[in-house]
Amino acid sequence: DAGITQSPRHKVTETGTPVTLRCHQTENHRYMYWYRQDPGHGLRLIHYSYGVKDTDKGEVSDGYSVSRSKTEDFLLTLESATSSQTSVYFCAISEGPQAGGPYNEQFFGPGTRLTVL
Amino acid sequence: SQQGEEDPQALSIQEGENATMNCSYKTSINNLQWYRQNSGRGLVHLILIRSNEREKHSGRLRVTLDTSKKSSSLLITASRAADTASYFCATDERSTLGRLYFGRGTQLTVWP
Repeated sequence: DAGITQSPRHKVTETGTPVTLRCHQTENHRYMYWYRQDPGHGLRLIHYSYGVKDTDKGEVSDGYSVSRSKTEDFLLTLESATSSQTSVYFCAISEGPQAGGPYNEQFFGPGTRLTVL
Repeated sequence: SQQGEEDPQALSIQEGENATMNCSYKTSINNLQWYRQNSGRGLVHLILIRSNEREKHSGRLRVTLDTSKKSSSLLITASRAADTASYFCATDERSTLGRLYFGRGTQLTVWP
């Protein structure tokens, strides 16, 4: 899986509790992404990072925050988990747009299955 | 939504048959990519076609792109049971560098 790990792989938590998911890469890629995958919705971008301390929102960012203090780590935090955040979360990495032209193949981690009761 | 749309949502065929999946999108793109996802796993990149290309091949995969119709198709020839997976198209749009927009996917089942 292209040097990407996610932790934890499974988590069950209760509504209102904070949750942090971690994505770690060994590829030194500049871009990192957090997606959620739900039946009927496909893959939706939550937040992404284009460098250390540089982040931007995706299409479903409400209720989520991210941090990237090192190239290799990208953290996704649910400040106060809700049942609607029950989902499978995927981290992805990419070298991003290249000097020779746009190119953005993404490599995905194995996913984290989060259940909020 | 900028999300692409795959068609059909589900496809069921016998081994040896060809499988064709289509993707439509809405805006100008730099490239279009196809990904595969096996059950319970992350997505895996299959093939990328640039906006100035019309057709691309990789093994048993053939991708076409028609930018005038804003559509792409993925053909898998001589399907195998191991091709059973979900297939997603993703667009790299000119207005938002560094992001991909994924469709909802086509679930392909190949029966032995």
